[in-house]
Amino acid sequence: DAKTTQPPSMDCAEGRAANLPCNHSTISGNEYVYWYRQIHSQGPQYIIHGLKNNETNEMASLIITEDRKSSTLILPHATLRDTAVYYCIVRLSQRSGSARQLTFGSGTQLTVLP
Amino acid sequence: DAGITQSPRHKVTETGTPVTLRCHQTENHRYMYWYRQDPGHGLRLIHYSYGVKDTDKGEVSDGYSVSRSKTEDFLLTLESATSSQTSVYFCAISSAYEQFFGPGTRLTVL
Repeated sequence: DAKTTQPPSMDCAEGRAANLPCNHSTISGNEYVYWYRQIHSQGPQYIIHGLKNNETNEMASLIITEDRKSSTLILPHATLRDTAVYYCIVRLSQRSGSARQLTFGSGTQLTVLP
Repeated sequence: DAGITQSPRHKVTETGTPVTLRCHQTENHRYMYWYRQDPGHGLRLIHYSYGVKDTDKGEVSDGYSVSRSKTEDFLLTLESATSSQTSVYFCAISSAYEQFFGPGTRLTVL
């Protein structure tokens, strides 16, 4: 699986958009970009994933650059409850047929400030 | 939330004793995983299962064994616990695209 690079920490004002960047310059053509987050002491939570098109769900938007070497997770209106460590992970989809585990890096600690 | 529970949620034990952690799912998913999380290391895969009686090793499997006799249960056993196995253990199940994690078990080995 491709390696990812994320800033170790970011702050965001409550109610503003949080934009979390991720670099994955060695991504291969059939690898997806996944985002998970982990709120203190809880299990990681799936947020969103994409291959090459931008994606949006009820939690966030995922913007993937045209060359797929980087992406940005956008939380449109951050709340205090969004304070967490956010992980960007690149991997084949589960449908690849193998039991693909997730490889977690260090992630970005997002702190939403009141 | 996905139907995944872990038991116990907290356990303190002594070096050399056997310990079994249980992961239970109600989603009938084929794949199940055990991870451990330690400061400075993130989550690391211990073992995983791709079906009843079908298991394989992950990145940090030494000192651990697993069993899966039913789809819904995935057991992690520390045959003889050591202090280096003090950690938070997370179980996960996966659908086609996502993994869902349990609440975790905090294990302390004295």
